[in-house]
Order: sequence, then C-alpha cells, then structure tokens
Amino acid sequence: AQSVTQLDSQVPVFEEAPVELRCNYSSSVSVYLFWYVQYPNQGLQLLLKYLSGSTLVKGINGFEAEFNKSQTSFHLRKPSVHISDTAEYFCAVSPNTGGFKTIFGAGTRLFVKA
Amino acid sequence: EPEVTQTPSHQVTQMGQEVILRCVPISNHLYFYWYRQILGQKVEFLVSFYNNEISEKSEIFDDQFSVERPDGSNFTLKIRSTKLEDSAMYFCASGRQGAVEAFFGQGTRLTVV
Repeated sequence: AQSVTQLDSQVPVFEEAPVELRCNYSSSVSVYLFWYVQYPNQGLQLLLKYLSGSTLVKGINGFEAEFNKSQTSFHLRKPSVHISDTAEYFCAVSPNTGGFKTIFGAGTRLFVKA
Repeated sequence: EPEVTQTPSHQVTQMGQEVILRCVPISNHLYFYWYRQILGQKVEFLVSFYNNEISEKSEIFDDQFSVERPDGSNFTLKIRSTKLEDSAMYFCASGRQGAVEAFFGQGTRLTVV
C-alpha cells in the first residue's frame, strides 16, 4: 500500500519569495511521483513527474521537485512565486507495477501575497 | 491537445435520486478511473476500469456505485440513490497503454440536497 503526507496544509508567502512545499511518501513497491496543481474551481493539472533517472525534475510554470529516495521525499520548489501561483498543490504517487491508480496527499494551499 | 471531458460541470440532485456522471476519455486511452474530492479534503480513488471490467475499487465504491462504458467513447459513473455525503467533486481520468500517468478531467461538482 502507498500513502502520501504533505507536511503543510497552508503555506503563505510573499510574491517573488522562494517557496518549498513538502511531501513524504511511503510504499512497499517502487512508485512514480507527481505534483498536481488545482486552481480555484478548476480540475487537476500535472505540474511535473518523476519516473527515474535524474532526481531533480523540472515542470511547468517554473516549478521543480527533487526526489530523495533515502528520505522518501519529493519536495516541490519555486525560486520566485507569483500571485498567479495561488492554488492547491497535491503530491501523488502511483505504483510502477502497472495501471494508473494514483494516491494523493491531502494538499497544500499556497497563498501568495502581494 | 486531447483532453478528458466531463459533463455536466455542476449537478444538483435531491437525496435518494439516481445520478449519472459522464466522461469522455482521451480517444486512444485504455485505462479509466473515477476519483472524488469532498470539499476541503484530499482526492480519493474510487475505481479503475480496464478491458471492460473493474480492475480495482476502493472501499468507498460500494453497491450504490457502478461504472459503465456504454459505447466506444463514454465512461460513466452512476450513483443509484444519492446521499448528502456523496456531495463532492468527481474526477474522471484516463491513461494509455505504456504511459505512466493518467490525465484528469475538469471534474463534475455534485451537490446533493
């Protein structure tokens, strides 16, 4: 079984400041890792994914995430946030044994202030 | 760019009524999923569907729920007798053979009154 823990339910940050959204996971099998973003009243949009290889992955909108196998973490970062980044961010895992069942974390609400 | 389409975007129904949520997955995808998100909570897996049958379901997916692929393009979720606690955003997702991620639709917000 898999589980995902997002350590912060809310992260307020000022515009142009850096941000890190933390994610830890547990799994008895190897997994793929994802970050999704959900803007208010909208669906889920894939930000980035880690499948294998380089542990630093870059996604859309200037976001990047680093996979750390020993710490079972997949933290999301952005060096300089914009007001438009205000949204809910979900970390998720999917077992690499086939199929696409995705297990989501509880979400982190990023609130960017002017 | 192809996308998963869900209709309606918002549905209000009375408690006890049957509701059908509709999804059009991406055309060459073979794996189909339903998830739900109760307001303010995490996105939860409901069911996966492959080769015209359910491949996995969660404990949430009880006898009140059913899924169907009635034709070559639609994928539906039926709730037979809705309860207040079924109020949620329901997401459909699909994935193609050999890929690693599923693509999500915009969701249907179901409100049971």
